[in-house]
Amino acid sequence: AAGVIQSPRHLIKEKRETATLKCYPIPRHDTVYWYQQGPGQDPQFLISFYEKMQSDKGSIPDRFSAQQFSDYHSELNMSSLELGDSALYFCASSIGGSYNEQFFGPGTRLTVL
Amino acid sequence: EDKVVQSPLSLVVHEGDTVTLNCSYEVTNFRSLLWYKQEKKAPTFLFMLTSSGIEKKSGRLSSILDKKELFSILNITATQTGDSAIYLCVVSTGTYKYIFGTGTRLKVLA
Repeated sequence: AAGVIQSPRHLIKEKRETATLKCYPIPRHDTVYWYQQGPGQDPQFLISFYEKMQSDKGSIPDRFSAQQFSDYHSELNMSSLELGDSALYFCASSIGGSYNEQFFGPGTRLTVL
Repeated sequence: EDKVVQSPLSLVVHEGDTVTLNCSYEVTNFRSLLWYKQEKKAPTFLFMLTSSGIEKKSGRLSSILDKKELFSILNITATQTGDSAIYLCVVSTGTYKYIFGTGTRLKVLA
């Protein structure tokens, strides 16, 4: 069965650069969630989208933005990268709202030098 | 402030033991409680609980929710080394909003 696809899997950037992470949900899933997991930490919810509209916002820095496109894939744009942005970023997808299961992607490991 | 607390934070057992992981929550507008297993990759879904008193089972794992006392437990019987992981409790508090617990780090020794 198709799973959530994230690209790239690994990304190395320098401070103050920009990064774009992509998430392709499971087919027919209309909801995408983004999480950030720092080293040794638990995942933190960043932002979610339902039917191409932002549905909820968590602890996402102002330097980050995200959107969901007409094909339901989502992109997380990160500008003015800082060392503390180094983390595993993974997205999840589901059908509809909070009563439904989230399926997680493999994550993108971002390293900021 | 919404919060989800898991206990213990860390647990070491031997193969064959039974473990019980706890998750308590204080949230407004509870929708559901989810358990995830996280190894060296993104978490994998275990259970979603929405109703009190109904046990969900999957092999050696089972979970139950008490919405009156605001907690859930995850039981693992006859533990195996492959059960070693972080177990995350996540509470949904509204549409597309999730509060993560601290996680319980389980290590099963051979």
